Amino acid sequence: DAKTTQPTSMDCAEGRAANLPCNHSTISGNEYVYWYRQIHSQGPQYIIHGLKNNETNEMASLIITEDRKSSTLILPHATLRDTAVYYCIVRVTNDYKLSFGAGTTVTVRA
Amino acid sequence: NAGVTQTPKFQVLKTGQSMTLQCAQDMNHNSMYWYRQDPGMGLRLIYYSASEGTTDKGEVPNGYNVSRLNKREFSLRLESAAPSQTSVYFCASSVIGANQETQYFGPGTRLLVL
Repeated sequence: DAKTTQPTSMDCAEGRAANLPCNHSTISGNEYVYWYRQIHSQGPQYIIHGLKNNETNEMASLIITEDRKSSTLILPHATLRDTAVYYCIVRVTNDYKLSFGAGTTVTVRA
Repeated sequence: NAGVTQTPKFQVLKTGQSMTLQCAQDMNHNSMYWYRQDPGMGLRLIYYSASEGTTDKGEVPNGYNVSRLNKREFSLRLESAAPSQTSVYFCASSVIGANQETQYFGPGTRLLVL
């Protein structure tokens, strides 16, 4: 699996959009970008994934650059409950392994 | 629909003791996983089971054994616990499709080995 690079931490104001960057410059053509988050002491939670097109669901939007070497997770209106560690993961479809790095610790402040 | 459940929630062991962590899912998923998470670290895969009747080693399998009892249940056994196995253990399950695979995680088992 390609390695990812994320900032260690970031702050965000409640009600504002949170933009979480991820670099994956060695991503292969058949590798998807996945985002999970882990709220304190809980199991990780799936957020969104994509291959090359931008994706949106009820939780977030995923913007992938045209060369696929980086992506941004957007939480459109951050709330205090979005405070968590966010993991950007790249993996091949039908590969059974998710490799979690250190992630980005996002703190949403009132 | 409970999702993924894990027992126990907390456990304290003495070095050398054995125990089994239980995991069950009610989503009819084929694949199940065991991860461990040490303080301040990301999750690391211990073992996984792609389907009933199969198990494979992950990144950190030493000191652990697993059993895929049936499609619903996947247990993790520590035969002789060591302080280095103090961690939070997460079980997960998933269905792997053509272009997506979402893992659903349980609440975790917090294990302290003295």
